[in-house]
Amino acid sequence: AQKVTQAQTEISVVEKEDVTLDCVYETRDTTYYLFWYKQPPSGELVFLIRRNSFDEQNEISGRYSWNFQKSTSSFNFTITASQVVDSAVYFCALSEAWAGGTSYGKLTFGQGTILTVHP
Amino acid sequence: DTGVSQNPRHKITKRGQNVTFRCDPISEHNRLYWYRQTLGQGPEFLTYFQNEAQLEKSRLLSDRFSAERPKGSFSTLEIQRTEQGDSAMYLCASSRPGLAANTGELFFGEGSRLTVL
Repeated sequence: AQKVTQAQTEISVVEKEDVTLDCVYETRDTTYYLFWYKQPPSGELVFLIRRNSFDEQNEISGRYSWNFQKSTSSFNFTITASQVVDSAVYFCALSEAWAGGTSYGKLTFGQGTILTVHP
Repeated sequence: DTGVSQNPRHKITKRGQNVTFRCDPISEHNRLYWYRQTLGQGPEFLTYFQNEAQLEKSRLLSDRFSAERPKGSFSTLEIQRTEQGDSAMYLCASSRPGLAANTGELFFGEGSRLTVL
């Protein structure tokens, strides 16, 4: 069975601080996909990134960066120079891959990390 | 694109009543998903449609739950004989056809919150 653990329930930082959200996963699949989603107060989950299990290259997108380490089954998310608008619940998620290496939308989510950025 | 639309946004009902939620996905999306999210938890997968075909159902979807997508466009999720444990946010999501559908990128609606008294 697949499992995603986000050990940090809540994180509180002051604007401009860097913050890292941890994610550890368990799966028996050799091919799988990892995701991060953001859920602002409005409730609508927003896709941030997808990573497949064969691609351990770290990725940076603006103030966001992701560190995927297969050896430790971790997929951590760092926000650099945090802003008040980053305040939200962040979810890490995992999906199995179909034969052929593609994914679909059956995701296993972690419990989420509530991030509060104070001005 | 208009986003994924869900109605009603909030529903309060008494135990034992039936409720129905509707989801209108993004128009060109052929895949539609239902998830359930309880307070302080991540979303849990309930079921998935490709066009009008329901291809997978979670064990969480008891016999009291039924989902349909009759014309491959909007979908309904009905809960019969509601129980207090059904109180949750019911999230609908859709995804694009073709190769992009394989990214697992889901577009979520704002959810329908159910409170069972």
